[in-house]
Amino acid sequence: ELKVEQNPLFLSMQEGKNYTIYCNYSTTSDRLYWYRQDPGKSLESLFVLLSNGAVKQEGRLMASLDTKARLSTLHITAAVHDLSATYFCAVDMLTGRDDKIIFGKGTRLHILP
Amino acid sequence: DSGVTQTPKHLITATGQRVTLRCSPRSGDLSVYWYQQSLDQGLQFLIQYYNGEERAKGNILERFSAQQFPDLHSELNLSSLELGDSALYFCASSVGLAGVPDTQYFGPGTRLTVL
Repeated sequence: ELKVEQNPLFLSMQEGKNYTIYCNYSTTSDRLYWYRQDPGKSLESLFVLLSNGAVKQEGRLMASLDTKARLSTLHITAAVHDLSATYFCAVDMLTGRDDKIIFGKGTRLHILP
Repeated sequence: DSGVTQTPKHLITATGQRVTLRCSPRSGDLSVYWYQQSLDQGLQFLIQYYNGEERAKGNILERFSAQQFPDLHSELNLSSLELGDSALYFCASSVGLAGVPDTQYFGPGTRLTVL
């Protein structure tokens, strides 16, 4: 069974600090997505990671993928209040007709000014 | 504004009924995805269409069905509704070239309430 675990599920941090959200998954995959969701809003695609060692950066957010460890990280550098949101990772397991995209439970990030 | 539109925004109906949710993808996008978000189940992938054909199927119940039309808009049909079907339903679209996963653009969602 494909499981995707994010941790922490809730994170409260001060502006200016660095932190990392972890996304572990249980089955081989080399396709991983990160999304952001603001309260009461829809989802926004942040990163698409398609190979082992992939690293992508956008502003203060950097995502990486280690397919051997089945681990992706989302690193936040010098956090600002605007980054407060819930962040989801999702793993794409393409196996023909039973293709599945499985989401983690999300990490609610609260950045204190 | 992502360019993806969904109608209706809100839908309230009774158990046992049938509803249709509509999604118009961004101009030029060939792939459409449907997702369900609820407090109990979290985010779940339901189904993906590419240029009118089903490409991937997730945890979509047999009571649910979807299709993508020649003009690329998509509809998600939910029948024999149960209380547990109450959720936010999002669609997303992407260019979808040659089966390569790419950035998805999400619509604002349809909030379904089953009473």
